[in-house]
Amino acid sequence: EDQVTQSPEALRLQEGESSSLNCSYTVSGLRGLFWYRQDPGKGPEFLFTLYSAGEEKEKERLKATLTKKESFLHITAPKPEDSATYLCAVQHTGNQFYFGTGTSLTVIP
Amino acid sequence: EPEVTQTPSHQVTQMGQEVILRCVPISNHLYFYWYRQILGQKVEFLVSFYNNEISEKSEIFDDQFSVERPDGSNFTLKIRSTKLEDSAMYFCASSEMAGAYGYTFGSGTRLTVV
Repeated sequence: EDQVTQSPEALRLQEGESSSLNCSYTVSGLRGLFWYRQDPGKGPEFLFTLYSAGEEKEKERLKATLTKKESFLHITAPKPEDSATYLCAVQHTGNQFYFGTGTSLTVIP
Repeated sequence: EPEVTQTPSHQVTQMGQEVILRCVPISNHLYFYWYRQILGQKVEFLVSFYNNEISEKSEIFDDQFSVERPDGSNFTLKIRSTKLEDSAMYFCASSEMAGAYGYTFGSGTRLTVV
């Protein structure tokens, strides 16, 4: 059973059109939920770590929030350079991450 | 900003051949990882390494795979006898501490088995 599910799979936004990406998880004993950005042919680039429900983190046009079952990555007034795949990963036991399949975001000028 | 460096960026190998993928983790990091991503699929955990030994490994990491830290800077992944299904991007990552902290990933090695 998938532990991390991301939606939508793909999202096309006009420049300036705000939206949210979803990451739902089913693990118990969450130690951390991570958001990464991945550009084509590159490794994941760390964005945020969230540890407990109610926590929020912000970086430029991105804001990540966490509840007991899901996390949202809010993108405010996106720009074309925000186009990338956004990956969610959870850590519960051990040190390994369990990744979702990602949301491919395209921001059209 | 410190980086995890992986070489080569792309490797093509014949089925059945051995390959070694190389990584230079961030210098003060103590925990090292290999992940892989088959085209169009999730990033999957292979193995974690600490204090010169494997600390965790997944079902994917079978006897065909091995890891080594041959000196103070390099961290390698060896695949003994490559199969077509080993074709993937292989990412090395490192972290300063264990626990729920983010890793830094390298840019990956694209392995193509023909």
